[in-house]
Amino acid sequence: EAQVTQNPRYLITVTGKKLTVTCSQNMNHEYMSWYRQDPGLGLRQIYYSMNVEVTDKGDVPEGYKVSRKEKRNFPLILESPSPNQTSLYFCASMGGGGSDTQYFGPGTRLTVL
Amino acid sequence: KQEVTQIPAALSVPEGENLVLNCSFTDSAIYNLQWFRQDPGKGLTSLLLIQSSQREQTSGRLNASLDKSSGRSTLYIAASQPGDSATYLCAVLFDDYKLSFGAGTTVTVRA
Repeated sequence: EAQVTQNPRYLITVTGKKLTVTCSQNMNHEYMSWYRQDPGLGLRQIYYSMNVEVTDKGDVPEGYKVSRKEKRNFPLILESPSPNQTSLYFCASMGGGGSDTQYFGPGTRLTVL
Repeated sequence: KQEVTQIPAALSVPEGENLVLNCSFTDSAIYNLQWFRQDPGKGLTSLLLIQSSQREQTSGRLNASLDKSSGRSTLYIAASQPGDSATYLCAVLFDDYKLSFGAGTTVTVRA
């Protein structure tokens, strides 16, 4: 089954404690991206990756890092989380050429105390 | 800045009525436009994808149109049902591969 998986699904942590949210897709997609969703602000793109070792900033990249060492994985790293990063995070993937549907993961609800 | 706007922000209709949801975008250089549904606290479910070269797409009771030159898309849902109650999101993939979402239209279908 074609899918995008994220782990963990729920996470409560404290300010400054480094964390990683993993994202994996089994569709051999080249394009992967991360979003955060906040009430009143909607979904905003954090980072995206066109292919292995190629990453670009989205609209709200501050405080986040990503890496794309393998085609299937695109982890989101918060080096020093702060309370304003409390949010619902989604990972997505898409085939090449801009012609494909975006497939979204189930979301990760992060709370930073 | 590439912006996507959805109007109205909320909509309440009686069961059986047709729904019309609007999406507009500021930059016509797009690859595609996708409509999603999101239930409270849940993930995104893809409804329809329209390529930039297409004018419309249909799936069951859903029909989406695209007018790239005017920067508009409309999602029509025929004969609405209470199960259609959800938030509907429009997402535009621009030519620079950035994906921007509208804020969504929250639909309530009253039985």
